[in-house]
Amino acid sequence: QKEVEQNSGPLSVPEGAIASLNCTYSDRGSQSFFWYRQYSGKSPELIMSIYSNGDKEDGRFTAQLNKASQYVSLLIRDSQPSDSATYLCAVPLMDSNYQLIWGAGTKLIIKP
Amino acid sequence: DAGITQSPRYKITETGRQVTLMCHQTWSHSYMFWYRQDLGHGLRLIYYSAAADITDKGEVPDGYVVSRSKTENFPLTLESATRSQTSVYFCASRDYNSYEQYFGPGTRLTVT
Repeated sequence: QKEVEQNSGPLSVPEGAIASLNCTYSDRGSQSFFWYRQYSGKSPELIMSIYSNGDKEDGRFTAQLNKASQYVSLLIRDSQPSDSATYLCAVPLMDSNYQLIWGAGTKLIIKP
Repeated sequence: DAGITQSPRYKITETGRQVTLMCHQTWSHSYMFWYRQDLGHGLRLIYYSAAADITDKGEVPDGYVVSRSKTENFPLTLESATRSQTSVYFCASRDYNSYEQYFGPGTRLTVT
Protein backbone atom coordinates (compact mmCIF):
# COMPACT_ATOMS: atom_id res chain seq x y z
CA GLN A 1 0.00 0.00 0.00
CA LYS A 2 1.60 3.19 -1.17
CA GLU A 3 1.27 5.98 1.39
CA VAL A 4 1.82 9.67 1.80
CA GLU A 5 1.86 10.92 5.38
CA GLN A 6 1.48 14.39 6.77
CA ASN A 7 1.00 15.72 10.26
CA SER A 8 -2.65 16.81 10.35
CA GLY A 9 -1.90 19.75 12.64
CA PRO A 10 -3.09 22.31 13.21
CA LEU A 11 0.29 23.96 12.96
CA SER A 12 0.21 27.42 14.48
CA VAL A 13 2.87 29.92 13.39
CA PRO A 14 3.23 33.62 14.24
CA GLU A 15 2.92 36.10 11.42
CA GLY A 16 6.30 36.81 9.86
CA ALA A 17 7.85 33.52 10.97
CA ILE A 18 8.80 30.52 8.83
CA ALA A 19 6.20 27.78 8.51
CA SER A 20 7.59 24.30 7.88
CA LEU A 21 5.36 21.57 6.51
CA ASN A 22 6.55 18.00 6.07
CA CYS A 23 5.48 15.04 3.99
CA THR A 24 6.87 11.51 3.89
CA TYR A 25 6.14 8.93 1.23
CA SER A 26 6.60 5.20 0.98
CA ASP A 27 7.40 4.67 -2.73
CA ARG A 28 11.16 4.95 -3.26
CA GLY A 29 10.64 5.20 -7.01
CA SER A 30 8.66 8.45 -6.84
CA GLN A 31 10.10 11.14 -9.10
CA SER A 32 7.60 13.99 -8.81
CA PHE A 33 6.13 15.74 -5.79
CA PHE A 34 3.42 18.32 -5.50
CA TRP A 35 2.17 20.74 -2.89
CA TYR A 36 -1.38 21.99 -3.04
CA ARG A 37 -2.99 24.66 -0.92
CA GLN A 38 -6.66 24.41 -0.01
CA TYR A 39 -8.52 27.23 1.62
CA SER A 40 -11.57 26.32 3.65
CA GLY A 41 -14.51 25.69 1.34
CA LYS A 42 -12.35 25.92 -1.79
CA SER A 43 -10.69 23.47 -4.13
CA PRO A 44 -7.02 22.42 -3.98
CA GLU A 45 -4.65 24.73 -5.84
CA LEU A 46 -1.24 23.63 -7.08
CA ILE A 47 1.47 25.84 -5.57
CA MET A 48 4.71 23.88 -6.00
CA SER A 49 6.06 21.00 -8.04
CA ILE A 50 9.49 19.51 -7.41
CA TYR A 51 11.22 16.82 -9.41
CA SER A 52 14.82 16.63 -8.21
CA ASN A 53 16.69 16.53 -4.93
CA GLY A 54 17.41 19.82 -3.29
CA ASP A 55 15.51 23.06 -3.00
CA LYS A 56 13.13 24.83 -5.33
CA GLU A 57 12.17 28.40 -4.52
CA ASP A 58 9.17 30.35 -5.73
CA GLY A 59 8.67 33.66 -4.00
CA ARG A 60 8.12 33.03 -0.29
CA PHE A 61 7.74 29.29 -0.86
CA THR A 62 10.57 26.77 -0.89
CA ALA A 63 10.10 23.06 -1.52
CA GLN A 64 12.83 20.74 -0.29
CA LEU A 65 13.18 17.19 -1.53
CA ASN A 66 15.29 14.44 -0.01
CA LYS A 67 14.71 11.24 -1.97
CA ALA A 68 17.11 9.19 0.16
CA SER A 69 15.06 9.96 3.27
CA GLN A 70 11.78 9.93 1.35
CA TYR A 71 10.50 13.25 2.51
CA VAL A 72 9.51 16.50 0.93
CA SER A 73 8.92 19.69 2.83
CA LEU A 74 7.42 23.09 2.14
CA LEU A 75 8.79 26.20 3.81
CA ILE A 76 6.82 29.42 3.83
CA ARG A 77 8.89 32.46 4.72
CA ASP A 78 7.44 35.64 6.17
CA SER A 79 4.16 33.86 6.87
CA GLN A 80 1.03 35.90 6.34
CA PRO A 81 -2.50 35.36 7.67
CA SER A 82 -3.50 34.68 4.04
CA ASP A 83 -1.28 31.57 4.16
CA SER A 84 -3.70 30.00 6.64
CA ALA A 85 -5.01 26.96 4.80
CA THR A 86 -4.65 23.22 4.56
CA TYR A 87 -1.59 22.08 2.61
CA LEU A 88 -1.81 18.80 0.74
CA CYS A 89 1.16 16.76 -0.42
CA ALA A 90 0.71 14.53 -3.48
CA VAL A 91 2.97 11.92 -5.02
CA PRO A 92 2.38 9.92 -8.24
CA LEU A 93 1.62 6.24 -7.89
CA MET A 94 4.54 4.75 -9.77
CA ASP A 95 2.78 1.71 -11.19
CA SER A 96 0.08 3.90 -12.65
CA ASN A 97 0.12 6.62 -15.25
CA TYR A 98 -2.81 8.48 -13.82
CA GLN A 99 -3.10 8.47 -10.08
CA LEU A 100 -1.74 10.80 -7.42
CA ILE A 101 -1.54 9.54 -3.86
CA TRP A 102 -2.68 12.28 -1.52
CA GLY A 103 -1.68 13.07 2.01
CA ALA A 104 -4.47 13.98 4.40
CA GLY A 105 -3.15 17.53 4.62
CA THR A 106 -1.69 19.79 7.31
CA LYS A 107 -3.82 22.65 8.57
CA LEU A 108 -1.71 25.77 8.95
CA ILE A 109 -2.83 28.72 11.05
CA ILE A 110 -0.89 31.99 10.88
CA LYS A 111 -1.53 34.08 13.97
CA PRO A 112 -1.35 37.88 13.55
CA ASP B 1 -13.42 31.54 -19.60
CA ALA B 2 -10.66 28.99 -19.87
CA GLY B 3 -10.30 26.48 -17.08
CA ILE B 4 -12.33 23.82 -15.40
CA THR B 5 -15.88 24.36 -14.22
CA GLN B 6 -18.35 22.28 -12.28
CA SER B 7 -22.09 22.45 -11.98
CA PRO B 8 -24.11 22.68 -9.93
CA ARG B 9 -22.01 24.16 -7.12
CA TYR B 10 -24.52 23.07 -4.50
CA LYS B 11 -27.09 20.32 -4.67
CA ILE B 12 -29.55 18.85 -2.20
CA THR B 13 -31.24 15.64 -3.22
CA GLU B 14 -33.20 12.86 -1.60
CA THR B 15 -32.14 9.29 -0.99
CA GLY B 16 -32.80 7.11 -4.01
CA ARG B 17 -32.78 9.88 -6.60
CA GLN B 18 -30.43 10.01 -9.54
CA VAL B 19 -28.20 13.05 -9.72
CA THR B 20 -25.56 14.08 -12.24
CA LEU B 21 -22.64 16.34 -11.52
CA MET B 22 -21.11 18.07 -14.49
CA CYS B 23 -17.48 18.87 -15.21
CA HIS B 24 -16.20 20.86 -18.19
CA GLN B 25 -12.62 21.83 -19.06
CA THR B 26 -11.34 24.07 -21.84
CA TRP B 27 -7.69 23.03 -21.81
CA SER B 28 -8.16 19.91 -23.94
CA HIS B 29 -6.48 17.91 -21.20
CA SER B 30 -6.40 14.20 -21.83
CA TYR B 31 -6.99 13.06 -18.27
CA MET B 32 -9.94 13.92 -16.09
CA PHE B 33 -10.68 12.80 -12.54
CA TRP B 34 -13.48 12.74 -10.02
CA TYR B 35 -12.66 12.92 -6.31
CA ARG B 36 -14.72 13.12 -3.21
CA GLN B 37 -13.47 14.82 -0.08
CA ASP B 38 -14.79 14.01 3.37
CA LEU B 39 -13.52 14.94 6.81
CA GLY B 40 -11.18 12.25 8.00
CA HIS B 41 -10.64 10.74 4.56
CA GLY B 42 -8.97 13.39 2.49
CA LEU B 43 -9.24 13.21 -1.28
CA ARG B 44 -10.40 9.87 -2.65
CA LEU B 45 -10.45 9.03 -6.34
CA ILE B 46 -13.81 7.84 -7.66
CA TYR B 47 -13.20 7.49 -11.39
CA TYR B 48 -10.77 8.75 -13.93
CA SER B 49 -10.64 9.02 -17.71
CA ALA B 50 -7.54 8.93 -19.89
CA ALA B 51 -9.36 10.13 -23.03
CA ALA B 52 -12.79 10.25 -24.62
CA ASP B 53 -14.52 6.88 -24.24
CA ILE B 54 -11.82 5.57 -21.86
CA THR B 55 -12.75 5.45 -18.19
CA ASP B 56 -11.67 3.40 -15.21
CA LYS B 57 -12.39 2.94 -11.55
CA GLY B 58 -10.53 4.61 -8.76
CA GLU B 59 -10.51 3.87 -5.05
CA VAL B 60 -14.23 4.35 -4.29
CA PRO B 61 -16.31 3.76 -7.47
CA ASP B 62 -19.34 1.93 -6.03
CA GLY B 63 -22.61 3.77 -6.59
CA TYR B 64 -21.19 6.04 -9.27
CA VAL B 65 -21.23 6.01 -13.06
CA VAL B 66 -19.18 8.12 -15.45
CA SER B 67 -19.05 8.71 -19.16
CA ARG B 68 -16.84 10.72 -21.45
CA SER B 69 -18.15 11.14 -24.96
CA LYS B 70 -16.25 14.40 -25.50
CA THR B 71 -12.77 15.35 -24.31
CA GLU B 72 -14.00 18.43 -22.50
CA ASN B 73 -16.83 16.88 -20.48
CA PHE B 74 -16.77 14.28 -17.73
CA PRO B 75 -20.12 13.90 -15.94
CA LEU B 76 -20.49 11.89 -12.75
CA THR B 77 -23.83 10.23 -12.03
CA LEU B 78 -25.07 8.89 -8.74
CA GLU B 79 -27.61 6.35 -9.90
CA SER B 80 -29.47 6.06 -6.58
CA ALA B 81 -28.13 8.53 -4.08
CA THR B 82 -27.44 7.44 -0.52
CA ARG B 83 -26.68 9.52 2.58
CA SER B 84 -23.13 8.19 2.58
CA GLN B 85 -22.61 10.01 -0.71
CA THR B 86 -23.04 13.35 0.98
CA SER B 87 -19.70 14.95 0.27
CA VAL B 88 -17.79 17.58 -1.66
CA TYR B 89 -16.99 16.41 -5.18
CA PHE B 90 -14.05 17.76 -7.13
CA CYS B 91 -13.30 17.32 -10.77
CA ALA B 92 -9.70 17.66 -11.92
CA SER B 93 -7.80 17.43 -15.17
CA ARG B 94 -4.24 17.11 -16.36
CA ASP B 95 -2.33 17.05 -19.58
CA TYR B 96 -1.03 13.77 -20.95
CA ASN B 97 2.66 14.45 -20.20
CA SER B 98 2.31 15.90 -16.73
CA TYR B 99 1.18 14.68 -13.33
CA GLU B 100 0.04 18.17 -12.32
CA GLN B 101 -3.69 18.13 -11.74
CA TYR B 102 -5.90 21.21 -11.81
CA PHE B 103 -9.14 21.27 -9.90
CA GLY B 104 -12.57 22.65 -10.50
CA PRO B 105 -14.36 24.65 -7.78
CA GLY B 106 -16.22 21.63 -6.43
CA THR B 107 -19.84 20.58 -5.90
CA ARG B 108 -21.21 20.28 -2.40
CA LEU B 109 -23.78 17.50 -2.46
CA THR B 110 -26.15 16.76 0.38
CA VAL B 111 -28.31 13.64 0.29
CA THR B 112 -31.23 13.76 2.73
